[in-house]
Amino acid sequence: AQKVTQAQTEISVVEKEDVTLDCVYETRDTTYYLFWYKQPPSGELVFLIRRNSFDEQNEISGRYSWNFQKSTSSFNFTITASQVVDSAVYFCALTGSGGSNYKLTFGKGTLLTVNP
Amino acid sequence: DTGVSQDPRHKITKRGQNVTFRCDPISEHNRLYWYRQTLGQGPEFLTYFQNEAQLEKSRLLSDRFSAERPKGSFSTLEIQRTEQGDSAMYLCASSQISSTDTQYFGPGTRLTVL
Repeated sequence: AQKVTQAQTEISVVEKEDVTLDCVYETRDTTYYLFWYKQPPSGELVFLIRRNSFDEQNEISGRYSWNFQKSTSSFNFTITASQVVDSAVYFCALTGSGGSNYKLTFGKGTLLTVNP
Repeated sequence: DTGVSQDPRHKITKRGQNVTFRCDPISEHNRLYWYRQTLGQGPEFLTYFQNEAQLEKSRLLSDRFSAERPKGSFSTLEIQRTEQGDSAMYLCASSQISSTDTQYFGPGTRLTVL
């Protein structure tokens, strides 16, 4: 069975602060894929990143960066110099390989509030 | 290229009524997924189509739920004899079979059962 844990239910920061959202996963698959999605108040899930289990390179995209550590089964997400528009619920998700490669398993999400 | 669209965006119904939701995927995508999201939770997988074939249904999908994807294009999700526990956001996603196979989501249909 696959599981994603986002231990931080809610985080509140002041604009321009850096913030890291934690994600820990469990899977028995040797090949798997990790995702982050953003869900603003409008409700639509917005895809942010997809990472393969065999690619442990960290990635940076503008103010966003992701730290994938297979040894600790973690895939953390950092927003640098946060902005009010970053306020949303952020979900970490996982799919396996083979027969389960279509099914996203989501964490419960972290509500990020960025105050001006 | 338009994204995934869902209709209606909101639905309020009385317990015991039937409701039907529609999802139009991204045009070239051959996989289509339905998820359900309740308050404070992440989305949970309900069912999945590859072209017109429904390949898996979650245990969450009781006999009152049925989904179709005729001709491998749009999909409908019907809930018969709705219950208050069916109140949730119903999300549709689509993807293209490929090495990336990333799921892109629609805006969802929020169902409220009174």
